Amino acid sequence: AQKVTQAQTEISVVEKEDVTLDCVYETRDTTYYLFWYKQPPSGELVFLIRRNSFDEQNEISGRYSWNFQKSTSSFNFTITASQVVDSAVYFCALSNGQGAQKLVFGQGTRLTINP
Amino acid sequence: DTGVSQDPRHKITKRGQNVTFRCDPISEHNRLYWYRQTLGQGPEFLTYFQNEAQLEKSRLLSDRFSAERPKGSFSTLEIQRTEQGDSAMYLCASSLAQTGELFFGEGSRLTVL
Repeated sequence: AQKVTQAQTEISVVEKEDVTLDCVYETRDTTYYLFWYKQPPSGELVFLIRRNSFDEQNEISGRYSWNFQKSTSSFNFTITASQVVDSAVYFCALSNGQGAQKLVFGQGTRLTINP
Repeated sequence: DTGVSQDPRHKITKRGQNVTFRCDPISEHNRLYWYRQTLGQGPEFLTYFQNEAQLEKSRLLSDRFSAERPKGSFSTLEIQRTEQGDSAMYLCASSLAQTGELFFGEGSRLTVL
C-alpha cells in the first residue's frame, strides 16, 4: 500500500527565514510520481511540482526547492526567504505510474509565516 | 475564469437528506476526479472518469454515493441519505491524461446537521 507521512503538523517562522517541509513516502512500485500542492485559505489546491521516480535531480523554482532522495524515501520542500503569502497548508502526495492520477496525500503541514 | 469550478461552494443539510454537487472541469480535460477532504486531513481519492466512463471507485464511495459524467464534460456527485460522517470538503479535479497534472477546484463544503 502507498503511504505519505508529513510528520510536521504545524510550522511557524518569521518572515525571511528559510523553512523545510518534510515528506516521507512508502510504495512498492518502481515507477511512481511525487507531488507537492499548496492549499491557501480559499481551499483550492495549487500544484507546485511533480517528480517521477527516475529523476532524482533536485529542482529549484525561484524561492522554492525540492530535494528528492530515493535512498531515504523522502521528497522535502524548502522555501527560502519565506514571505507572508507563503502561509498555507502544504501537501505532499504520491501516485503510481499507471496513468490515473489517483493521488495519496499526506496529512499536510500548516505553515504560518509571521511578519 | 477557465479553471475548475464547483457548485455549490457550501451546503448545509439535515441528516437523511440528499445532496448533489456539480463540477465543471477545464474544457479540454478528458479526466475528472472527485476527492474528499475532512478537517485536518489530506484529500482522499473517491473516483475518476475518463470522458464519460467511470474507471475507478474507491472503497470510500459507499452505495449512498453516486457520480456521473453523462456527456464527458461536467460531473455530478450525489450523496443520498446523508450522515454526519459525510461532512467534508468535496474536491473536484481535472487533467489531461497525457500530462498528469491535476487542477483542483475550490471545493464544495458539506455540513450535515
